[in-house]
Amino acid sequence: KQEVTQIPAALSVPEGENLVLNCSFTDSAIYNLQWFRQDPGKGLTSLLLIQSSQREQTSGRLNASLDKSSGRSTLYIAASQPGDSATYLCAVRLRNRKLIWGLGTSLAVNP
Amino acid sequence: EAQVTQNPRYLITVTGKKLTVTCSQNMNHEYMSWYRQDPGLGLRQIYYSMNVEVTDKGDVPEGYKVSRKEKRNFPLILESPSPNQTSLYFCASSSGPYNQPQHFGDGTRLSIL
Repeated sequence: KQEVTQIPAALSVPEGENLVLNCSFTDSAIYNLQWFRQDPGKGLTSLLLIQSSQREQTSGRLNASLDKSSGRSTLYIAASQPGDSATYLCAVRLRNRKLIWGLGTSLAVNP
Repeated sequence: EAQVTQNPRYLITVTGKKLTVTCSQNMNHEYMSWYRQDPGLGLRQIYYSMNVEVTDKGDVPEGYKVSRKEKRNFPLILESPSPNQTSLYFCASSSGPYNQPQHFGDGTRLSIL
């Protein structure tokens, strides 16, 4: 059974730091992997989608990598800002197209 | 502006009183789905729809109904709500079911007493 784990559950950093959020999954036979952010009182916003054949995707200050062999994805945030404070969710799409969600990492970037 | 709109945003009601949560998207997306989010359990899919008049069960469909009569609308119906359906609900849409990013509504917080 595929499980998606995000550690740590919460993270607090000072503004300007580069940081890495982790997502691990137990079955490497995935279809794709997505990173989302969730703001309080708001829905989820899709950040990056990595296909199983890709190693990384970049959007602005965000870079997501995928290592299927080790069952890991990381979301790198460069030069963090208070506006980056949110919960970041990882979701793995299996080959049977089922989507498995992690519980998220709650990020606080302090001015 | 491209968006997914859910109504109501908040609702407190009582056991057994039928309710409908509406969801509408203005992006002409074919794929729509409903999720519930609970602490410690994360997001779980309730129902999804690949197109008009095509719906299917997700992981936790019990106690819910949906319909897709028009492309833009995908209402979630609770015929006889129970306290275990107290949750945060999200509607999402995308242009494709698997490879396209999903666009989410802002959520509906339901409390069933």
